[in-house]
Amino acid sequence: DVKVTQSSRYLVKRTGEKVFLECVQDMDHENMFWYRQDPGLGLRLIYFSYDVKMKEKGDIPEGYSVSREKKERFSLILESASTNQTSMYLCASSLPRNNEQFFGPGTRLTVL
Amino acid sequence: GENVEQHPSTLSVQEGDSAVIKCTYSDSASNYFPWYKQELGKGPQLIIDIRSNVGEKKDQRIAVTLNKTAKHFSLHITETQPEDSAVYFCAASKGGGYQKVTFGTGTKLQVIP
Repeated sequence: DVKVTQSSRYLVKRTGEKVFLECVQDMDHENMFWYRQDPGLGLRLIYFSYDVKMKEKGDIPEGYSVSREKKERFSLILESASTNQTSMYLCASSLPRNNEQFFGPGTRLTVL
Repeated sequence: GENVEQHPSTLSVQEGDSAVIKCTYSDSASNYFPWYKQELGKGPQLIIDIRSNVGEKKDQRIAVTLNKTAKHFSLHITETQPEDSAVYFCAASKGGGYQKVTFGTGTKLQVIP
């Protein structure tokens, strides 16, 4: 079974803090993704990566950065957390070209 | 870019009835349309997908139809059961090596026993 794990299920941070969300997949997938999920807005793509050290902006990259130093690990970084970044963050991985995306359980981040 | 609209946002059905969720997309180059189910406390999971070279696909109680001319696709669940209660997302993709997928806003389905 493909497994995508995220470092925390729940996280509470203060405004201005630097926040790291970690994602690890165990299926040697090339593609990895970070989404945020908000009520009524569905899943919105923040960043994705199609190879080690490669990244592409998604639809809402502002305020976020990513790092992919190893194939199995994709990190989302909030340089200076703000209250409007309070959300559920989902990581996913997949093989290239229209294949199933496998999601982690999500991290619910609250920024106070 | 691609825009995917999904309706309804909430849907309640009696156990045993059918449920239909509809989506439209804007980019005629999209050619892959997956559907994901998200149960409470979990990440979304693929339940069925369809590619643009077919008009319908069925897997037991779940079916998806695609109308490329009208740029819309639908999920049909027959003989609904309480375990079908979840949030369902449609999505569209143009494919290619980087597989960017655009998701709809989700439908919360409640199956009433």
